[in-house]
Amino acid sequence: GEDVEQSLFLSVREGDSSVINCTYTDSSSTYLYWYKQEPGAGLQLLTYIFSNMDMKQDQRLTVLLNKKDKHLSLRIADTQTGDSAIYFCAESIASGAGSYQLTFGKGTKLSVIP
Amino acid sequence: ETGVTQTPRHLVMGMTNKKSLKCEQHLGHNAMYWYKQSAKKPLELMFVYNFKEQTENNSVPSRFSPECPNSSHLFLHLHTLQPEDSALYLCASSQDHGTEAFFGQGTRLTVV
Repeated sequence: GEDVEQSLFLSVREGDSSVINCTYTDSSSTYLYWYKQEPGAGLQLLTYIFSNMDMKQDQRLTVLLNKKDKHLSLRIADTQTGDSAIYFCAESIASGAGSYQLTFGKGTKLSVIP
Repeated sequence: ETGVTQTPRHLVMGMTNKKSLKCEQHLGHNAMYWYKQSAKKPLELMFVYNFKEQTENNSVPSRFSPECPNSSHLFLHLHTLQPEDSALYLCASSQDHGTEAFFGQGTRLTVV
């Protein structure tokens, strides 16, 4: 199976909260990330969490990490139409010589209904 | 603006053509990466360079040839590609001991 798994689609109404879930397999992950990709654009780092943390909050974004279950979630409060994009979960594993390899999920396409 | 610039943004090439993708980062990072993003597949890491040395090659066919002349520039030379190589090619960079990767906007490649 895939190293990082996400559901492919999520639809929410504007103003509601969105929760995007991700599971990963490598327990040696040091950091876990959420990236956002808007149509026609590259990946933009949204937020990240260190593997020894349970939760990180950044304005409308809340990241929850359950290391035991290898489960990561991204909650977007008060979802806006501008949040419509594909959200990628990624885990970071040291690949030697000071560089890190990111393994990505397939991405969750978030559609916000006005 | 992430500090990582890729050119061209779009490229259409025939299977017998030779072309190159360019990536430049202005962040002072030491590690640079090429990723391939195909529809309905996870992002695939192709190559990793750290301090201009290639440290990863994830079984990429030889028709893709990377070049890293310095820590700020990364190229991907393309030769005799196949239609299934059509994808978005993303460049990224990170600090040598850091983990945050910053991505360029990608080059949308179509092989005809």
